[in-house]
Amino acid sequence: AQKVTQAQTEISVVEKEDVTLDCVYETRDTTYYLFWYKQPPSGELVFLIRRNSFDEQNEISGRYSWNFQKSTSSFNFTITASQVVDSAVYFCALRGPTNAGKSTFGDGTTLTVKP
Amino acid sequence: SQTIHQWPATLVQPVGSPLSLECTVEGTSNPNLYWYRQAAGRGLQLLFYSVGIGQISSEVPQNLSASRPQDRQFILSSKKLLLSDSGFYLCAWSSPGLTYQETQYFGPGTRLLVL
Repeated sequence: AQKVTQAQTEISVVEKEDVTLDCVYETRDTTYYLFWYKQPPSGELVFLIRRNSFDEQNEISGRYSWNFQKSTSSFNFTITASQVVDSAVYFCALRGPTNAGKSTFGDGTTLTVKP
Repeated sequence: SQTIHQWPATLVQPVGSPLSLECTVEGTSNPNLYWYRQAAGRGLQLLFYSVGIGQISSEVPQNLSASRPQDRQFILSSKKLLLSDSGFYLCAWSSPGLTYQETQYFGPGTRLLVL
């Protein structure tokens, strides 16, 4: 069975601090995809990144960066120089072939960035 | 470009009343469609998914049902709402086929409160 764990339920930082959101997953698939979504207060889930299991290269997009480590089954998300607009719930998700392509989501991490 | 719509945005219904939530996608053909529910402060629970017109798979037994009368239309229904049906309902789409590589894109959601 697939499982995604986001152990940090809530994180609070002050603006301009760096913050890392943890995501640990479990799967028996050798090929799978990992995703991060942002859910601002409005409620809509906004897609941030997709990473396949064969690509362990870290990715940077502006203030966002992702660290994928297959050896520890982790796909962590770092926001550099956080801003108030980064306040949201962040979800990590996993999709693989043995679950018929259905997504397994973590319970989310609520990030609050204070001015 | 593709867009996904949901309505209504907010709904307050009495226990025992019927329900109909609608989701439509524009800019793509034969998408995979999904209904998720998010209880307050919780993660996402997959309710139904569809890979084509009239093809519905149910993930969780409950008093909800789904239908796909047209290629890009997905409807969530109930004959009699329960208090436990309250939550935030999200519709999502992904590109055609049972491919776990595809990203799911989410609609703005419907907040349902059953009183």
